[in-house]
Amino acid sequence: GENVEQHPSTLSVQEGDSAVIKCTYSDSASNYFPWYKQELGKGPQLIIDIRSNVGEKKDQRIAVTLNKTAKHFSLHITETQPEDSAVYFCAASISSAGNTPLVFGKGTRLSVIA
Amino acid sequence: GAGVSQSPRYKVAKRGQDVALRCDPISGHVSLFWYQQALGQGPEFLTYFQNEAQLDKSGLPSDRFFAERPEGSVSTLKIQRTQQEDSAVYLCASSRRTGVDTQYFGPGTRLTVL
Repeated sequence: GENVEQHPSTLSVQEGDSAVIKCTYSDSASNYFPWYKQELGKGPQLIIDIRSNVGEKKDQRIAVTLNKTAKHFSLHITETQPEDSAVYFCAASISSAGNTPLVFGKGTRLSVIA
Repeated sequence: GAGVSQSPRYKVAKRGQDVALRCDPISGHVSLFWYQQALGQGPEFLTYFQNEAQLDKSGLPSDRFFAERPEGSVSTLKIQRTQQEDSAVYLCASSRRTGVDTQYFGPGTRLTVL
């Protein structure tokens, strides 16, 4: 089955700097790659997603890139702010007869230092 | 509704007790997923419903776990004879359609088995 690896497990940046989180996946049939932000005591919240027919997507300070050949995708956060501090999860999904469970990475704890 | 809701938010059970966890998905959402999130890990898929039909239960760790969605809206995850290894956060997610679509997560139920 699908396996998603995520790095780094922890990341500390100064406020205003950029943060990059990288993920790799194993199943070339995966075609949907969302990123979730999880704050303490809350459920994961979707922040951006990308599908396999697109190489890059941007939404304000957040961007995601996808390299299908290498089977890796990355999250880029620019001009980081203290409220960006949270755990971020990448995930991959294969659409199969309507069942699209997400396979998650182990998460990256991002700390933005003011 | 405003989002996915789950109850109770916290549950403490003695080993051997049965528990029932409730999920209220976003109104009209066809797909419903249950995930288990161990401390410091990413969510792991348990089971999937399309309306009232349970199409995939491959992630359920044992026959002590049972899920239902009898009317295609509210879902209940039941764990019989709880064990310490069942301690985790149980997350419910719903999506509007089948196939690849955004999954919206609830806040989760934190289960602690003593």
